[in-house]
Amino acid sequence: AQSVAQPEDQVNVAEGNPLTVKCTYSVSGNPYLFWYVQYPNRGLQFLLKYITGDNLVKGSYGFEAEFNKSQTSFHLKKPSALVSDSALYFCAVRDGETSYDKVIFGPGTSLSVIP
Amino acid sequence: DTGVSQDPRHKITKRGQNVTFRCDPISEHNRLYWYRQTLGQGPEFLTYFQNEAQLEKSRLLSDRFSAERPKGSFSTLEIQRTEQGDSAMYLCASSSRGQPQHFGDGTRLSIL
Repeated sequence: AQSVAQPEDQVNVAEGNPLTVKCTYSVSGNPYLFWYVQYPNRGLQFLLKYITGDNLVKGSYGFEAEFNKSQTSFHLKKPSALVSDSALYFCAVRDGETSYDKVIFGPGTSLSVIP
Repeated sequence: DTGVSQDPRHKITKRGQNVTFRCDPISEHNRLYWYRQTLGQGPEFLTYFQNEAQLEKSRLLSDRFSAERPKGSFSTLEIQRTEQGDSAMYLCASSSRGQPQHFGDGTRLSIL
């Protein structure tokens, strides 16, 4: 069975500092991994994905994520946080061995960037 | 804007009433998903369509819930005899095979 954990409910970071939002996963096959962001009263917006290839994936708005197979992690990072990055962040996983595109989402991490 | 569209954005109804939500996916996407999201939680999978075929339903989808996607285009999600616990944001997403899902802004359901 697929599962996703986001160990931090809340992350606070000062504007201009680097940020990290953590994610660990469990799948039986090869993982397809995703990060989404959600602003208040809006749907989820896709940031980036890992399917195969380079372990460092670059995405929208200056975000990147590092896939670590041995630690089953896919942490989201940004070198310099902006106040406008404050939002809910969701990690998601799909089992690449299944024919369906069913994706399991983590519980989310609330990011606050302090001016 | 050719994104995923959901209607209505907000629905307030009395317990016991029936409600229906609509989702219009991105036109070239053949896969459509419904999720439920409660405050402080990630989206929970409800059901999945590939074209007009409903291929998977979550155990969360009780007999009071039904979803359709006639002709493989728009989809509707109906909840019959609504209960307090049905209060949530209902999200629709669409995708092409192997591509990330694109989400609508959701329908927020409040049960009085």
